[in-house]
Amino acid sequence: ETGVTQSPTHLIKTRGQQVTLRCSSQSGHNTVSWYQQALGQGPQFIFQYYREEENGRGNFPPRFSGLQFPNYSSELNVNALELDDSALYLCASSLGTSKETQYFGPGTRLLVL
Amino acid sequence: EDQVTQSPEALRLQEGESSSLNCSYTVSGLRGLFWYRQDPGKGPEFLFTLYSAGEEKEKERLKATLTKKESFLHITAPKPEDSATYLCAVQAAGGGDKIIFGKGTRLHILP
Repeated sequence: ETGVTQSPTHLIKTRGQQVTLRCSSQSGHNTVSWYQQALGQGPQFIFQYYREEENGRGNFPPRFSGLQFPNYSSELNVNALELDDSALYLCASSLGTSKETQYFGPGTRLLVL
Repeated sequence: EDQVTQSPEALRLQEGESSSLNCSYTVSGLRGLFWYRQDPGKGPEFLFTLYSAGEEKEKERLKATLTKKESFLHITAPKPEDSATYLCAVQAAGGGDKIIFGKGTRLHILP
């Protein structure tokens, strides 16, 4: 059974650029949630994908968008990057939308200069 | 507004010195309260889910309890390997599948 993996591990971008982060969910899981974790803060829910459809979203602007593919892997896209987007981006997978046993990946650390 | 507050922000204990971490929450109907452990540079690792006041769960040196306003994570006779950030999160009844995290408590156990 493979765990949740994310790529890349680290990324440096400049303000105004666009970025795509990737997540492979744990085998058998059909739901992926994305979180943003700023330094010293708890994770903040961005959105969730269930069976390729977005079915929940936190307080993030539309320039944060995502996709889920038929194999349940997922992408997070952020357009027009701002300095405040610098954070650890976490994805978590689960079987169904219950949060009881969602498994987190190691995260992608994004730095926006 | 749904909110989660954890205290203390940081805690240093000697090995074997038991203590408790607090998670206070305000939500419009609780669907579940979650505890996670996060090691530096890693994603959170699930520990417990609690659903109703009075519920308790245990795992090794950790025990989580829940009241109508707060949850405690009790750590009994901790070891240095228990050093980590402990995160509390809640899922509100009317919040769909969104969960709200606190800022966490950084726990450091000295040998």
